[in-house]
Amino acid sequence: ETGVTQTPRHLVMGMTNKKSLKCEQHLGHNAMYWYKQSAKKPLELMFVYNFKEQTENNSVPSRFSPECPNSSHLFLHLHTLQPEDSALYLCASSQGGSRGSYEQYFGPGTRLTVT
Amino acid sequence: AQTVTQSQPEMSVQEAETVTLSCTYDTSESDYYLFWYKQPPSRQMILVIRQEAYKQQNATENRFSVNFQKAAKSFSLKISDSQLGDAAMYFCASTNSGNTPLVFGKGTRLSVIA
Repeated sequence: ETGVTQTPRHLVMGMTNKKSLKCEQHLGHNAMYWYKQSAKKPLELMFVYNFKEQTENNSVPSRFSPECPNSSHLFLHLHTLQPEDSALYLCASSQGGSRGSYEQYFGPGTRLTVT
Repeated sequence: AQTVTQSQPEMSVQEAETVTLSCTYDTSESDYYLFWYKQPPSRQMILVIRQEAYKQQNATENRFSVNFQKAAKSFSLKISDSQLGDAAMYFCASTNSGNTPLVFGKGTRLSVIA
């Protein structure tokens, strides 16, 4: 248990569906991240939020829409996905700030399958 | 920009033996942080060990230790007395600060042979 939870753990959706992934951290951190992990590919950073503000969008297609209503919650809204978007989506958090502790703590991931 | 390179896609070790996983990195920053993460079959990413670049002493966590060679930009992970539960993907990662994302290597898959 890392203090970061993700729901759902598994999701199967069609290309025309709209769904959302949820991440919650109970560590008092101020920075949250979405990563995509595909088979046989390196971990890909998608979005970064610091103090609820998006500070990085790593050229992610607009069919992925993040939302960070507060420092403890992070969502990833999905719509009109493609089969190649099937992957493990990992959420992470860190203390953030210029002098915080820099390690990230990860949730268990959501295994997404797009049919 | 930072880069992290893991040149060993797969490694194997006999139970109770010692294994070393390699990692090299490149950064123009003088202040940075290095990490090893473990991802077992459950896919949960777990922090194994961290090293601050300004510290000369190599970090140690129980059976896990690092060999940090700052001039060579090398950061290897040594696992002593390997156990079956150590079988996992191991990722080396680096960051400059708490505001910048981690940069990950491609990972090394470690198998432990009973």
